Amino acid sequence: NAGVTQTPKFRVLKTGQSMTLLCAQDMNHEYMYWYRQDPGMGLRLIHYSVGEGTTAKGEVPDGYNVSRLKKQNFLLGLESAAPSQTSVYFCASSYLDTSWDEQYFGPGTRLTVT
Amino acid sequence: GESVGLHLPTLSVQEGDNSIINCAYSNSASDYFIWYKQESGKGPQFIIDIRSNMDKRQGQRVTALLNKTVKHLSLQIAATQPGDSAVYFCAEKRHYAGKSTFGDGTTLTVKP
Repeated sequence: NAGVTQTPKFRVLKTGQSMTLLCAQDMNHEYMYWYRQDPGMGLRLIHYSVGEGTTAKGEVPDGYNVSRLKKQNFLLGLESAAPSQTSVYFCASSYLDTSWDEQYFGPGTRLTVT
Repeated sequence: GESVGLHLPTLSVQEGDNSIINCAYSNSASDYFIWYKQESGKGPQFIIDIRSNMDKRQGQRVTALLNKTVKHLSLQIAATQPGDSAVYFCAEKRHYAGKSTFGDGTTLTVKP
């Protein structure tokens, strides 16, 4: 199993450009999550999905959109990138949403917006 | 609002010593606490978890401690090795909450 993969690994955008980050998991997990991590800080949840075709807002959803058209994929979109969105983005997945269910994280995408 | 925080942003220890990383939380309703290790350039990795009805959970070289009275978590690493150098995060989770809340992280540096 590849686990959780993310593409691309790095990206530089100009302010106002758009892009989509792709997350894929091959563990048949129901739940998927997008987090951002700013320097010296923990992870903050952007959006999450409890199953194919569903999405929900997390702590910091503004400026982002997501889609979960297939169970194994979770896309994060930036319609008009801003310098404040410079961050490392992590995708995660879990089988259930019970408190004891482990989240598996991808390797991250480093995004710089100039 | 709820928050999870770590007491010290950095910790430096000698190889072979024991390490203790601390975390405080504010939400009494948390069911579950998780420690993650994040190595440079990688995503967080699960280390150990502890449920709210426990006060201690032992792993192979790690121990998670929970003191609900003062809302305090600790991660103890025995005989710390250079490979333990990483950022350590605590997180809290509740059933069906849809998310974990992460603390800011402690950077552990192991000196040879």
